[in-house]
Amino acid sequence: LAKTTQPISMDSYEGQEVNITCSHNNIATNDYITWYQQFPSQGPRFIIQGYKTKVTNEVASLFIPADRKSSTLSLPRVSLSDTAVYYCLVGDGGFQKLVFGTGTRLLVSP
Amino acid sequence: EAGVAQSPRYKIIEKRQSVAFWCNPISGHATLYWYQQILGQGPKLLIQFQNNGVVDDSQLPKDRFSAERLKGVDSTLKIQPAKLEDSAVYLCASSFLAGGPTEQFFGPGTRLTVL
Repeated sequence: LAKTTQPISMDSYEGQEVNITCSHNNIATNDYITWYQQFPSQGPRFIIQGYKTKVTNEVASLFIPADRKSSTLSLPRVSLSDTAVYYCLVGDGGFQKLVFGTGTRLLVSP
Repeated sequence: EAGVAQSPRYKIIEKRQSVAFWCNPISGHATLYWYQQILGQGPKLLIQFQNNGVVDDSQLPKDRFSAERLKGVDSTLKIQPAKLEDSAVYLCASSFLAGGPTEQFFGPGTRLTVL
């Protein structure tokens, strides 16, 4: 199972861009990289998923270098409502178990 | 589209008692997951079903935990007897696809407190 390493916490201010990097040195060829967001008292929510290079959706971008040993979740112009825990997972999403780490606790201040 | 439903939302029991949680996944989702999330930690997968068959239960404490998904739709997770360290949020998730990368949809969870 590919293990991931993320910063425990990050602080930012409203309107700034936030980049959260995840290290996954043992990522396998078939593994995808997936990010989830979790607010207190709620289940995690899917943000974005990618395999290589760059993926962008309406809420975030995911940058994956060629060696795929790390990835960066980019949140443009964060707001107070982006305060949450962000989890990076690697896996093929099928029958392979996905392992959540401790995540990165992002605090956005006014 | 209705989301993943779980009940109850909260449960308080004494140690050594039994408890059961219920989950109804999103309609049409073949894969169902039960996670345990202890305060301050990420969710830990307990068991994964594909339709009504078990795909992975390697982290399920089988001496006290059991789960079933008899008709391939809703599922129950039972703990008997409960221990203090079982205090956690129990999350149910479902996904449409079985193979390949797939998004998991999580329910709101059941917060269990064991006294």
